[in-house]
Amino acid sequence: GQQLNQSPQSMFIQEGEDVSMNCTSSSIFNTWLWYKQEPGEGPVLLIALYKAGELTSNGRLTAQFGITRKDSFLNISASIPSDVGIYFCAASDYGGSQGNLIFGKGTKLSVKP
Amino acid sequence: GAGVSQSPSNKVTEKGKDVELRCDPISGHTALYWYRQSLGQGLEFLIYFQGNSAPDKSGLPSDRFSAERTGGSVSTLTIQRTQQEDSAVYLCASSLRGDRGKKLFFGSGTQLSVL
Repeated sequence: GQQLNQSPQSMFIQEGEDVSMNCTSSSIFNTWLWYKQEPGEGPVLLIALYKAGELTSNGRLTAQFGITRKDSFLNISASIPSDVGIYFCAASDYGGSQGNLIFGKGTKLSVKP
Repeated sequence: GAGVSQSPSNKVTEKGKDVELRCDPISGHTALYWYRQSLGQGLEFLIYFQGNSAPDKSGLPSDRFSAERTGGSVSTLTIQRTQQEDSAVYLCASSLRGDRGKKLFFGSGTQLSVL
């Protein structure tokens, strides 16, 4: 079935550093989304991407919908301690099962002050 | 309410007992999802409801798991004869009718511990 390969699995960085994570698949998708989950909470939507090649920013976060429609990346610039959490990519192709939405396994981000 | 509400926030039960987990979605959201998240793991899809359509149950791990959604709003996830491997956080999410962009709004989850 469809799968999203998210990497890296975890990151330990220094405050102020930039962060990059990505999600790849062998399948084509029409929508890519990035969520952040903090301890004890459900995931919260950060950025949604709807068009191949689209580059979207939300504050210090920037995400891109890959031109092949099979991948997406998320960058965080000048990281701060509150960026700590698990970042999930998700993708939809408007068809298939799982409510038409697939999640990656997450990237756990740790930031040292 | 303002967001997706789940109850209880924590549930401790004994192996073999049945449990019911409740999800109250955002008003007006017709799509509702249940996910399971084991410690340190990703989101495991369980079941999806969209309006009056038949639910997508393809993620339910066994016949001990069932879910219903009454009146197109509140949903209950039931786990019968709980096992220790059922211990996890159960997350509910909802989205707008016809939101092909799949922008899900999640609740804070129910932490289930089976002793």
